[in-house]
Amino acid sequence: DAGVIQSPRHEVTEMGQEVTLRCKPISGHNSLFWYRQTMMRGLELLIYFNNNVPIDDSGMPEDRFSAKMPNASFSTLKIQPSEPRDSAVYFCASSLGGSKSQPQHFGDGTRLSIL
Amino acid sequence: GQQVMQIPQYQHVQEGEDFTTYCNSSTTLSNIQWYKQRPGGHPVFLIQLVKSGEVKKQKRLTFQFGEAKKNSSLHITATQTTDVGTYFCPGAGTALIFGKGTTLSVSS
Repeated sequence: DAGVIQSPRHEVTEMGQEVTLRCKPISGHNSLFWYRQTMMRGLELLIYFNNNVPIDDSGMPEDRFSAKMPNASFSTLKIQPSEPRDSAVYFCASSLGGSKSQPQHFGDGTRLSIL
Repeated sequence: GQQVMQIPQYQHVQEGEDFTTYCNSSTTLSNIQWYKQRPGGHPVFLIQLVKSGEVKKQKRLTFQFGEAKKNSSLHITATQTTDVGTYFCPGAGTALIFGKGTTLSVSS
């Protein structure tokens, strides 16, 4: 079975550019999570969707970050404009059920570098 | 808000030594999960504990949930180089907090 699929795997871009990260959750999973991982802050939850609806976006750092889930099989995380401090590994995860207490399945992540 | 503290942040052991990491919450948890992330990889779910005082084993790994459901531990017996990685213990509640975890390194 296919796991969570993220693209691109690596992204290098100059500051000020728009960055779009993509995620396809496991089929049948109805919760989707976006995380950011850095050495300084560890693994942080950015936003959580349930049945395509954003439930908790308190972790989104600022207005430059936005996330959408237009349907059950696709989500995007967009950064516009990007800044060097946004450099991190971004993970998408999905799970069954409507709460945050179900085991999560992570994608391989997108390693983002903003120059 | 809910705080989950994990200690130690780093641990280095010689292969064959035991290793333990601890998670402590400021509030009662409905459950706690453990994940492992290999260097360069993504977090992988290991186990979920739900009941007060619960103990579960996976080969050399022993997971424990405290009686008050506010703390948990992961103990690895006779570590191997394959145990290298970062271990996380997010606890369900108002937020699923992963944080920095405990990074284990093992020298042979």
